Amino acid sequence: AQSVTQLGSHVSVSEGALVLLRCNYSSSVPPYLFWYVQYPNQGLQLLLKYTSAATLVKGINGFEAEFKKSETSFHLTKPSAHMSDAAEYFCAVSGGFNTDKLIFGTGTRLQVFP
Amino acid sequence: GAGVSQSPRYKVAKRGQDVALRCDPISGHVSLFWYQQALGQGPEFLTYFQNEAQLDKSGLPSDRFFAERPEGSVSTLKIQRTQQEDSAVYLCASGVGLTSYEQYFGPGTRLTVT
Repeated sequence: AQSVTQLGSHVSVSEGALVLLRCNYSSSVPPYLFWYVQYPNQGLQLLLKYTSAATLVKGINGFEAEFKKSETSFHLTKPSAHMSDAAEYFCAVSGGFNTDKLIFGTGTRLQVFP
Repeated sequence: GAGVSQSPRYKVAKRGQDVALRCDPISGHVSLFWYQQALGQGPEFLTYFQNEAQLDKSGLPSDRFFAERPEGSVSTLKIQRTQQEDSAVYLCASGVGLTSYEQYFGPGTRLTVT
């Protein structure tokens, strides 16, 4: 069965510092992996996705993630945090063969301090 | 352009009442998903439609939950005899193709059962 684990429910960084949000996955088939961002009282917005093409995936707002099969990881990074990056971030894996449902992690809340 | 819309945005129901939550997907999107997001948790899959066909309802927590998409566009999630544990944000997402790796989420309906 597919699952994701997000390490760290809260991450705090200073503005301008590196952002690193961790995600490890478990999948019985080659996975499709996603990172979504959720701002308060809003739905989820897709940041980036991995669908078996390049292992380094670039997304919106300067975020990127690297698929590492050997580590079963798909960590999200951004070189320099901005105040507007403060939000909840969710890692997700597609549900497996012949299904598009997403299996989400429990989320990581990113705080950015001035 | 118009995104996924959901109504109402907020709903308060007394325990035992029936509620109906509406989702208007992006025009032309074939796939439609419902997710339930409890406070402080990631979204959890409820059900999936491809056009008007409900292909997966494995995530519906009980027979009190019912979803339909009769004409392949608008969808309604109905919860009968609401219980306090039904309190959550209900998210709807739509996707372009039959195998849609990119889901576009609506803002959600926050249901509070008192």
